[in-house]
Amino acid sequence: AQTVTQSQPEMSVQEAETVTLSCTYDTSENNYYLFWYKQPPSRQMILVIRQEAYKQQNATENRFSVNFQKAAKSFSLKISDSQLGDTAMYFCAFMRRAAGNKLTFGGGTRVLVKP
Amino acid sequence: GAVVSQHPSWVICKSGTSVKIECRSLDFQATTMFWYRQFPKQSLMLMATSNEGSKATYEQGVEKDKFLINHASLTLSTLTVTSAHPEDSSFYICSATPGGIYNSPLHFGNGTRLTVT
Repeated sequence: AQTVTQSQPEMSVQEAETVTLSCTYDTSENNYYLFWYKQPPSRQMILVIRQEAYKQQNATENRFSVNFQKAAKSFSLKISDSQLGDTAMYFCAFMRRAAGNKLTFGGGTRVLVKP
Repeated sequence: GAVVSQHPSWVICKSGTSVKIECRSLDFQATTMFWYRQFPKQSLMLMATSNEGSKATYEQGVEKDKFLINHASLTLSTLTVTSAHPEDSSFYICSATPGGIYNSPLHFGNGTRLTVT
């Protein structure tokens, strides 16, 4: 079974600053996907960024980027130029390619962006 | 973009009654949908995989007779919580992806908050 661990329950950051969220996972699979989802107070799950395990290049989406270290099974998320709207819960998630679209989520990190 | 709609957004029911939650894919067909449960300040836990035209696949520890799933069409899956108890109070979220392709992003419904009194 896969496990996803987010070691930081809460993080706070000043507006316009940068914050990095950590995520580690455990799997024996070689073909998989990793995701970061944002859940604002509305509880709607929003995809932030996705990484295919076979790609060495780190994924980037505007102010969001990841540091994917496959050997270390680490998948951190960096939020640059933090904005007040980034305040939310952030979940790291793992998906085995062979298991369809089932996601295993980490415990989440609450991010608070301060003005 | 692809949208997944859940209904109702919130529901309050009495112990012993049943409540049905709907998950609809509004602009795409989904042969597979997923049901998650989220307790307050906790993560999402997969409950079951809803398969169109066949039985749902439940995760270990999830009572299939309590959480009935029906996926009668390519755009609708329903989760029925039977004989609800206060411990069933939680936030339930469904997800689906267009075409069931791995490369497609998963789209989540806006969730249903269930309170059992």
